[in-house]
Amino acid sequence: EVQLVESGGGLVQPGGSLRLSCAASGFTLSGYWMGWVRQAPGRGLQWVANIKQDGSEMYYVDSVKGRLTISRDNAKNSLYLQINSLRAEDAAVYYCARYSAQRASAYFDCWGQGTLVTVSS
Amino acid sequence: QTVVTQEPSFSVSPGGTVTLTCGLSSASVSSSHSPSWYQQTPGQAPRTLIYTTNSRCSGVPDRFSGSILGNKAALTITGAQADDESDYYCALYMGRGVYVFGTGTKVTVL
Repeated sequence: EVQLVESGGGLVQPGGSLRLSCAASGFTLSGYWMGWVRQAPGRGLQWVANIKQDGSEMYYVDSVKGRLTISRDNAKNSLYLQINSLRAEDAAVYYCARYSAQRASAYFDCWGQGTLVTVSS
Repeated sequence: QTVVTQEPSFSVSPGGTVTLTCGLSSASVSSSHSPSWYQQTPGQAPRTLIYTTNSRCSGVPDRFSGSILGNKAALTITGAQADDESDYYCALYMGRGVYVFGTGTKVTVL
C-alpha cells in the first residue's frame, strides 16, 4: 500500500525556519516525481513545488522562490521541504504528494495526511 | 500568476446531475493542460478523482466523469449521493514545471 507520512510541522515565529519531511513507503520513491501542496486555513489548495526523480529538476510557485527548497533522499525514501524566513502567509497544512509526470499526463495521484505549520510570535 | 477559476458553489439534489467547470481567464483549457480533479472533505487530505481530462483513478465511482466543455475542463457528477458533498478542485499543468490548482467549488447535496 502506498503511504506518505509528513512530519516536522509546528509553531514557528515569523522569520524562523522549518524543515518538513515526508516518509514514503509502498512504492519505489526513485521512480517518481514528488511534490508539496499547501492549504492555508479556510482556503484552497496551492501547489508549492515539485522535484524530479533524481533531484535534478525542481520547480516552485513564484511566491515561494528563494525561501522554500524542495529536496529528496531516495536512499532514505524521504522528501523534504525547507522553509526559511517564515511569513504569516506560509501558515498552512502542507501535503506531500506523489506526482505523475508522463508524456501527456501531470497530476498528483497519492497524498499524505498533511502536517500543520503555524506562524505566530 | 495564472488564475484557474471555478464556480464557488453548487447545490444538487440526491440523484441529480451537476457539472463543475474549470477555466482560464486568458486562454482556453485543452487536454494539453492535463486537467485533473480532486475531492476534499473538511479535515481530510485531497483525493484524486480524474486525471488527463477524463481518466478515473482506481476506486472512483463511474458517476464521476471528466471532459472538455467548450473552452473549459469539466467534472460531471451523475446521480449525486450524499457523500459526494465535498469541495472539488481542478488543476492544470501550465508548462515549464508550473502546476496550478483552481479556486475550488463547494458542492452541497440536498
